[in-house]
Amino acid sequence: DGGITQSPKYLFRKEGQNVTLSCEQNLNHDAMYWYRQDPGQGLRLIYYSQIVNDFQKGDIAEGYSVSREKKESFPLTVTSAQKNPTAFYLCASRKKSSGNTIYFGEGSWLTVV
Amino acid sequence: KQEVTQIPAALSVPEGENLVLNCSFTDSAIYNLQWFRQDPGKGLTSLLLIQSSQREQTSGRLNASLDKSSGRSTLYIAASQPGDSATYLCAAPMDSNYQLIWGAGTKLIIKP
Repeated sequence: DGGITQSPKYLFRKEGQNVTLSCEQNLNHDAMYWYRQDPGQGLRLIYYSQIVNDFQKGDIAEGYSVSREKKESFPLTVTSAQKNPTAFYLCASRKKSSGNTIYFGEGSWLTVV
Repeated sequence: KQEVTQIPAALSVPEGENLVLNCSFTDSAIYNLQWFRQDPGKGLTSLLLIQSSQREQTSGRLNASLDKSSGRSTLYIAASQPGDSATYLCAAPMDSNYQLIWGAGTKLIIKP
């Protein structure tokens, strides 16, 4: 079945560690996105990529990094520079044509311990 | 800068009632407006997408309307069921990069 797979579902990070969240899609979508969701708040865009080997910062990119070496994959690294990383992270993708909807993965919970 | 607001933040109604969820936006220059559903601890599921040139879209018991002049979209749920309990979010892309501006969502509880 086509879809977006995020892993791991739950991740615990120690202070000072970098962690990487995986996002893979087999929908042949061009654009991919990473969002952060905090309780009671709307989704905030971290990074997005419209095409392989290219990506742009969103509203809250500080402390995060991404890569887009393959069309199917858009991993997000939460670095030690991100001071408040505990959140729910959502990956999404979209076919780059006017009006197409955006599809989401099931999300990854990151907790700092 | 575009702002998207959803009021109320939470809503509880008895099963069987028809209900309306509201989404307001400050800038009418939107490409489209989308409604999503999110179950607790899960990702988002797209419900309806209304193009900027459209007035409404329907899917089953759901009907979404768009009034750009008033900066408002509504999601109408007919004959509500306990399975409709979830958080409903609206979002609008502001440019060709499709950066969505999100509302904070309305948490809906349908009481059996």
